[in-house]
Amino acid sequence: DTGVSQDPRHKITKRGQNVTFRCDPISEHNRLYWYRQTLGQGPEFLTYFQNEAQLEKSRLLSDRFSAERPKGSFSTLEIQRTEQGDSAMYLCASTRTAYLTDTQYFGPGTRLTVL
Amino acid sequence: GQQLNQSPQSMFIQEGEDVSMNCTSSSIFNTWLWYKQDPGEGPVLLIALYKAGELTSNGRLTAQFGITRKDSFLNISASIPSDVGIYFCAGRPFGGSQGNLIFGKGTKLSVKP
Repeated sequence: DTGVSQDPRHKITKRGQNVTFRCDPISEHNRLYWYRQTLGQGPEFLTYFQNEAQLEKSRLLSDRFSAERPKGSFSTLEIQRTEQGDSAMYLCASTRTAYLTDTQYFGPGTRLTVL
Repeated sequence: GQQLNQSPQSMFIQEGEDVSMNCTSSSIFNTWLWYKQDPGEGPVLLIALYKAGELTSNGRLTAQFGITRKDSFLNISASIPSDVGIYFCAGRPFGGSQGNLIFGKGTKLSVKP
């Protein structure tokens, strides 16, 4: 069990550029979640997948955000035309569908800074 | 939307002291989870609670799922320097989606100067 991994750990970009983040969940975990965390706040839910199906999206997920999990394993989160307000830590978490499915395990996060 | 009220917002500890923090909600929760987050890292799961009244320990940490299902507390006994960090409560509201954990704003634990 290697844990949830995220890449890159840090990303600095200029306003208007597109960025893409990757998350590799714990193997055998079929649910994968994306959260956003700003300074001084707890994580806020963005979206989640069960296998390759995206089952829920938060209102925080604007049209500029898109997430995929094409083969039900790793996932990508893309932000188009970044804005300074997108600066945050983007966290990925995973769990396995079973009894007690709320135990989500988080990755180390990707810190995005939009200049 | 759903909110969790976590208190205190911050606290200072001396090594060896016991620490207590809590989380409350205006509505019923099915699940309570406690996480610790170090700077620049993701939250690490400490304790998960699934039944009202449940009391669970993990080493020096003890957490309880309130009987009313609207609150939870976390106690740390005999604190050590590595306990410093931000502690978050999180939970899934009754009737909430399978995906959506709600988080508190965190309790920041620091060492007394």
